[in-house]
Amino acid sequence: GAVVSQHPSWVICKSGTSVKIECRSLDFQATTMFWYRQFPKQSLMLMATSNEGSKATYEQGVEKDKFLINHASLTLSTLTVTSAHPEDSSFYICSASLFSYEQYFGPGTRLTVT
Amino acid sequence: EDQVTQSPEALRLQEGESSSLNCSYTVSGLRGLFWYRQDPGKGPEFLFTLYSAGEEKEKERLKATLTKKESFLHITAPKPEDSATYLCAVLQNTGNQFYFGTGTSLTVIP
Repeated sequence: GAVVSQHPSWVICKSGTSVKIECRSLDFQATTMFWYRQFPKQSLMLMATSNEGSKATYEQGVEKDKFLINHASLTLSTLTVTSAHPEDSSFYICSASLFSYEQYFGPGTRLTVT
Repeated sequence: EDQVTQSPEALRLQEGESSSLNCSYTVSGLRGLFWYRQDPGKGPEFLFTLYSAGEEKEKERLKATLTKKESFLHITAPKPEDSATYLCAVLQNTGNQFYFGTGTSLTVIP
């Protein structure tokens, strides 16, 4: 099956710093990549959708200047949490979509902001 | 408003005790319904895609079915390693956004 990786798997940072999370599709070229966040015992909340070479589409309520998404190639998308604060602590998950609409998820990144 | 509702929220089964998980949806124009398994601290793992009412898919002890209003994930003779949260998501004909349910947390007791 399609494999999606994320790096890092967990990160702890100080309030006010920025953190970059990478999402890679390892064995296929993804037409679209998605970024989600998930709070404990809750479902996935879509943050943004990105297509290679174009600007990401953000969901309502998600600050585009705070959550910067770059989709530089068909196998790599990055999410940068800028000026992170404790309320940004969460589990961030990316997914990559193949041509058949199926989404394959990465293992997630646990972000803790102190 | 489009909605995806999963029930029950949590389910405890004895090993070997078969049961079903439900995913009800009210989105207009279904392109596909997806089932995922999520273990704690990990990303969702793809299980099935169903595209039309009447469709069924099987994988080991799991069988997914679809009607015009809901999907069932049947678990036959579950084992402790089947313990996880099972998520369903729907994709509308318009756009490419998944709408996720809140999941069913399944615990299988040896």
